[in-house]
Amino acid sequence: AQSVTQPDIHITVSEGASLELRCNYSYGATPYLFWYVQSPGQGLQLLLKYFSGDTLVQGIKGFEAEFKRSQSSFNLRKPSVHWSDAAEYFCAVGATYGQNFVFGPGTRLSVLP
Amino acid sequence: DVKVTQSSRYLVKRTGEKVFLECVQDMDHENMFWYRQDPGLGLRLIYFSYDVKMKEKGDIPEGYSVSREKKERFSLILESASTNQTSMYLCASSLSLTAGGFETQYFGPGTRLLVL
Repeated sequence: AQSVTQPDIHITVSEGASLELRCNYSYGATPYLFWYVQSPGQGLQLLLKYFSGDTLVQGIKGFEAEFKRSQSSFNLRKPSVHWSDAAEYFCAVGATYGQNFVFGPGTRLSVLP
Repeated sequence: DVKVTQSSRYLVKRTGEKVFLECVQDMDHENMFWYRQDPGLGLRLIYFSYDVKMKEKGDIPEGYSVSREKKERFSLILESASTNQTSMYLCASSLSLTAGGFETQYFGPGTRLLVL
């Protein structure tokens, strides 16, 4: 069965610093990978997705993610964090049945002024 | 613009009550999903539906049922609410892809349910 791990439960960075959120997945075939962001009290918004092709994927709000098959990873990055990026971030992989996703537990990002 | 709405942002119910959570999407999507979100556990799939009147169990269906009478509406039902069903409930929808693969899921704002 598919699984997704996000090793960091909570990360704190200073505004303007770079950010990397880690995501590792377990899946037998080529995965479909997603990053979503959830602001406090809100639903989830898609940041970016990887289906195939270029392993470096650009998303909204200045985020990017890199698919590394050899490491089973899909880490999210941003070169300079803004205070408005404080939120919870979820990595997800497309499951083998139907159109379902398996979500990781999430990483909460705090941004210091 | 993509729109998924949920009938309530906050609900407080008593143990044993029957609870209905409604979700409506205006994107003509075939697939609809119900998740619950709990701290440290991420999102867990309760039920999903590929089409009107069709439903499939997800990972944690116990204590829940669903109804999809119209394409745009997907209801989650707690037959007899219990305190361990206190959670955030998220609805999502997506297009079907005839060639397989996965399409983006679009989420509603969530319903925070408290069962006393």
